[in-house]
Amino acid sequence: EIVLTQSPGTLSLSPGERATLSCRASQSVSSSYLAWYQQKPGQAPRLLIYGAASRATGIPDRFSGSGSGTDFTLTISRLEPEDFAVYYCQQYGTAPPRYTFGQGTKLEMK
Amino acid sequence: EVQLVQSGAEVKKPGESLKISCKGSGYSFTSYWIGWVRQMPGKGLEWMGIIYPGDSDIRYSPSFQGQVTISVDKSINTAYLQWSSLKASDTAMYYCARRVCTGGSCYGAFDMWGQGTMVTFSS
Repeated sequence: EIVLTQSPGTLSLSPGERATLSCRASQSVSSSYLAWYQQKPGQAPRLLIYGAASRATGIPDRFSGSGSGTDFTLTISRLEPEDFAVYYCQQYGTAPPRYTFGQGTKLEMK
Repeated sequence: EVQLVQSGAEVKKPGESLKISCKGSGYSFTSYWIGWVRQMPGKGLEWMGIIYPGDSDIRYSPSFQGQVTISVDKSINTAYLQWSSLKASDTAMYYCARRVCTGGSCYGAFDMWGQGTMVTFSS
C-alpha cells in the first residue's frame, strides 16, 4: 500500500509570499493519478490539481503542480489571504483500485 | 449547475442503522464514479469506497470493507452509504465526491464534492 507523506506539517507565511508544499510517496505513483486539494474550515475539499499538473476548472493560475515518480510539489506563487487552509495530496492506485490521501499541510498566516 | 447534495446531519445511538444519501444533478449521473470519504473530527481524509452508477460496480477500501455498504439508485440519481450497526467511533463528516473525467479520460481525483453529512452520537 502506497503511503503519502506531506511536508511540512505546518507552513507559516505572509500574503504575497511563495508557498511550496511537498508530497512524497512510498512507491512510484503515476503522474496521471496525483491530485491536490484545498480544504477550509467547515467546507468540503476543493480539487486544485489533477494529473499532477493540470489545474481544475476555475482554479487561479497562481496554483501549480509538478513532480513525478515519488516526489510531487504544489506551488502557490503569491499567497492571497483566501489561500490559508489545509492542503492534501492524493494518489490513485489501479491494482487494486485505491485512493490514498496524505496527512495534510496546514498553511497558516504569519 | 453540476452539484452533489447530501442528506442532513444525523444524531444516532450506538447499534442503530443508518443510510445517508448523495444526489447528483446537472450532469449524466450514470457516467461518473461516485466515491465516499470520511473525515473524523480534526483529522484528515480517508477514502471508503466508490461506485459506478451505470452498472453498480463497487470497490471498497480494505479499511471499510464489511463495515459499510455502498449502493445506488440510478432512477433518482442518488448514491448511498449505510451502516447496519453504528459505533461511536463512526462519528465523522462523510463526503460524497465525483471522480474526474474530462477530455475522454478519467483521472484518479474527485472534482465535485457534496457538502458533507455529519454523523454524531447521543448518549
